[in-house]
Amino acid sequence: SQTIHQWPATLVQPVGSPLSLECTVEGTSNPNLYWYRQAAGRGLQLLFYSVGIGQISSEVPQNLSASRPQDRQFILSSKKLLLSDSGFYLCAWKLGDRVFHEQYFGPGTRLTVT
Amino acid sequence: AQKVTQAQTEISVVEKEDVTLDCVYETRDTTYYLFWYKQPPSGELVFLIRRNSFDEQNEISGRYSWNFQKSTSSFNFTITASQVVDSAVYFCALRGYQKVTFGTGTKLQVIP
Repeated sequence: SQTIHQWPATLVQPVGSPLSLECTVEGTSNPNLYWYRQAAGRGLQLLFYSVGIGQISSEVPQNLSASRPQDRQFILSSKKLLLSDSGFYLCAWKLGDRVFHEQYFGPGTRLTVT
Repeated sequence: AQKVTQAQTEISVVEKEDVTLDCVYETRDTTYYLFWYKQPPSGELVFLIRRNSFDEQNEISGRYSWNFQKSTSSFNFTITASQVVDSAVYFCALRGYQKVTFGTGTKLQVIP
């Protein structure tokens, strides 16, 4: 069966510090991968998605970036965090060859920028 | 443009009451899928159901049921005999050819 991991689970970082959040998927190959952010208002904002190694699409221009160095690894980064980057970050995967299938979400990382 | 509207921001019910969560969508795609997810206080979104645009049959799974009506562009979710464990934020989502769109969620509180 497939599982998705995210770490860290929680993170408190000062403004201006760098960020690296990691997501890995097990039990599947060539998944589509997604990074979402959920702010206090609860809505899900799609940040990045990837259909393959090295292929990243950005949905919202901001100080965040994403990378996919391996098939089942997806990393969210920032060189300098802003207060507005605080939120709950969710990674998700979907079967790559199933356009209309559901996404499966990881446990999330709660980021507080102070 | 693709849009999902969950007009109910928060709902409170007393345990054992039935509750319906509304979802209305807009899309120009002729083929699309609709989803419901549950987000308990722990934060992880849990997939509940997938329904394609060509299948308007209602579905029942235990205390959960879904009513898909293409004529009104709605995909409503009913919980029968609600329980405290049903307390969560519920998201409706739509997947068209190009992208997936989530609604803003409905927070359900079931009071014991």
